Amino acid sequence: DIQMTQSPSSLSASVGDTVSITCRASQSVSRYLNWYQHKPGKAPKLLIFEASTLQTGVPSRFSGSGSGTDFTLTISSLQPEDFATYYCQQSHSTHTFGQGTKVDIK
Amino acid sequence: EVQLVETGGGLVEPGGSLRLSCAASGVSVRSTYMSWVRQAPGKGLEWVSVIYKDETTYYADSVKGRFTISRDNSKNTVYLQMTSLRAEDAAVYYCAREVPVTGHFDYWGLGTLVTVSS
Repeated sequence: DIQMTQSPSSLSASVGDTVSITCRASQSVSRYLNWYQHKPGKAPKLLIFEASTLQTGVPSRFSGSGSGTDFTLTISSLQPEDFATYYCQQSHSTHTFGQGTKVDIK
Repeated sequence: EVQLVETGGGLVEPGGSLRLSCAASGVSVRSTYMSWVRQAPGKGLEWVSVIYKDETTYYADSVKGRFTISRDNSKNTVYLQMTSLRAEDAAVYYCAREVPVTGHFDYWGLGTLVTVSS
C-alpha cells in the first residue's frame, strides 16, 4: 500500500500570507495526486487534481506542483475563507489520503 | 448540478449491521465510479470502497470482508452494507463521485454519521 505523509500537520498564518503544504508518497504515484480542502460540517472540496490542474471554480491563489513522490500545495495571499484542513490523496493505486494539515489563524 | 445525499447512519452496537445509501442526482451512478470515504472523530479522511461502471468493486483492507458496496441503477443510488461493525468504524461516511482514470473525487455529499457503541 502507498503511504502518504503530509507536513506540517498544522500551521498558523495570517491573512495575506503565502503558505505551502508538502505531501510525500512512499513510492511513485506519477502525477496522480489530488488536493482537497475540508471544513467542519462541510463536504470536502476538490482544489487540484493530477498534481497541478486547478478544479473549475477554485481561485487561482491555489496552486499545486510536483510529480513522483514529492508534491506541494501553495496558497498565495491567504484569505479568511482558506482557514481549513487540507488533504492530499494519491489515486495511482486505489486511494490513500495524507493525514491532513490544519491551517489556522495566527 | 450534481447532488449526492447520504442517509442511513445512526447508532449501532458492536457486531451489528447498518446499510448506508447515497442517492445521486445530476449524474448516473451506472456511468461513473462511486466511492465511500469516511472520517472518524478527530481523524483524517480514509477511503473505504469503490464501485466501477462495470460493477467491479474494491475495498480498504480495514473493511474487506465486512463491508459490501453495491448500486441500484433504477434508483440511481449506491449502497454500503456494513456488517460486524467495530468501534473503530464509527465515522462520518461520505459518498463521492470518482473521476475515472485520474481518480480524483469531484463531487461529495455532506455525509452521514455512524456511531458504534453499546
